[in-house]
Amino acid sequence: ILNVEQSPQSLHVQEGDSTNFTCSFPSSNFYALHWYRWETAKSPEALFVMTLNGDEKKKGQISATLNTKEGYSYLYIKGSQPEDSATYLCASPFTGGGNKLTFGTGTQLKVEL
Amino acid sequence: KAGVTQTPRYLIKTRGQQVTLSCSPISGHRSVSWYQQTPGQGLQFLFEYFSETQRNKGNFPGRFSGRQFSNSRSEMNVSTLELGDSALYLCASSSDRYTDTQYFGPGTRLTVL
Repeated sequence: ILNVEQSPQSLHVQEGDSTNFTCSFPSSNFYALHWYRWETAKSPEALFVMTLNGDEKKKGQISATLNTKEGYSYLYIKGSQPEDSATYLCASPFTGGGNKLTFGTGTQLKVEL
Repeated sequence: KAGVTQTPRYLIKTRGQQVTLSCSPISGHRSVSWYQQTPGQGLQFLFEYFSETQRNKGNFPGRFSGRQFSNSRSEMNVSTLELGDSALYLCASSSDRYTDTQYFGPGTRLTVL
């Protein structure tokens, strides 16, 4: 069974703190790694799609890195704000044919004032 | 560009009934994927349709089925509803490949009584 694991399950930080979470996946079946942010009562919002080992992507104060050889990706948030509170999900296709994403269970981030 | 739309947004059914959910993808997208989200299982892949053909299928019973029309709109059907089918059903659209971003709709919340 090909699984995507995320840690930690939840995180409480103070406004202004920087934080990071981990997504682990089997390196032997790697095609791509997707990151999403999912705020309550909204649709999951795509953050990044990463494919190359060593890839680093940035969107505002959020950045992500990818290590396909060891099977992990890190998501960093610099200077967290309350509006960053959301569940952050990573997902991988495990197949080159189509868009069948296997999702991790997510990291729930709560940023407090 | 209009986003992914799903109808209805909320649905209440009783056990044994059947239900049809609809998804309209972003204009120009030919891939539509369906996911089920439950508190215990997270986001799980149901199936993907591409150019009116089912391209990928998840591990769900045959009561779950779908189809895609020539305009890329997709429907999913659940027959003989069970209590455990209560969930948020999300659809996502993308262009084609697993490296393309998937854009999610707002979901349909199904409650089975």
